Amino acid sequence: DTGVSQNPRHKITKRGQNVTFRCDPISEHNRLYWYRQTLGQGPEFLTYFQNEAQLEKSRLLSDRFSAERPKGSFSTLEIQRTEQGDSAMYLCASSLVTGRRTDTQYFGPGTRLTVL
Amino acid sequence: DAKTTQPPSMDCAEGRAANLPCNHSTISGNEYVYWYRQIHSQGPQYIIHGLKNNETNEMASLIITEDRKSSTLILPHATLRDTAVYYCIVRATQGGSEKLVFGKGTKLTVNP
Repeated sequence: DTGVSQNPRHKITKRGQNVTFRCDPISEHNRLYWYRQTLGQGPEFLTYFQNEAQLEKSRLLSDRFSAERPKGSFSTLEIQRTEQGDSAMYLCASSLVTGRRTDTQYFGPGTRLTVL
Repeated sequence: DAKTTQPPSMDCAEGRAANLPCNHSTISGNEYVYWYRQIHSQGPQYIIHGLKNNETNEMASLIITEDRKSSTLILPHATLRDTAVYYCIVRATQGGSEKLVFGKGTKLTVNP
């Protein structure tokens, strides 16, 4: 399978714990996006990278959230001191930008986080 | 906020065409119309996108009105597996915002 993969698929944690999610994009895709989706809502943008550079962050990305893409390949999203409001599906997408053409984002299956 | 308006829900009989409308009256000249769908508990799946010409691929057809203020996604022969939430999104070409802004979409239910 050469699609976007995310691990773990499910995570249950207690309030106050730290969690880290991983996203592996489609091979050679230079852009990687993180979104969050709560029940009954559409996905909401969190941040995106072009290669290893983080180019945009949403105001939803509080200082408890940090994302990295150290070598321009896989990415991690860490949430420190989790709160019950962090319970959501965390989605990763990747795309290939070439020249001036707009890119199509392809999504992974998501990581469902439940904070007790 | 999403720049599109979609009906919250629609029903379609299996084997019939499903026509999903989307209004985007404030669309700019450099904005594309994208369609994604999301089957329960899965990540969004890309369907199709277009700028001003009608587009067709193996999944669907996209019809964009001449004034570009609305569009229709057509699933020519809906199956039960097409039951999903369908999102219509307008997005700028390179140089605009890179993120996808999702609304609440249309929940399509295909009935046997």
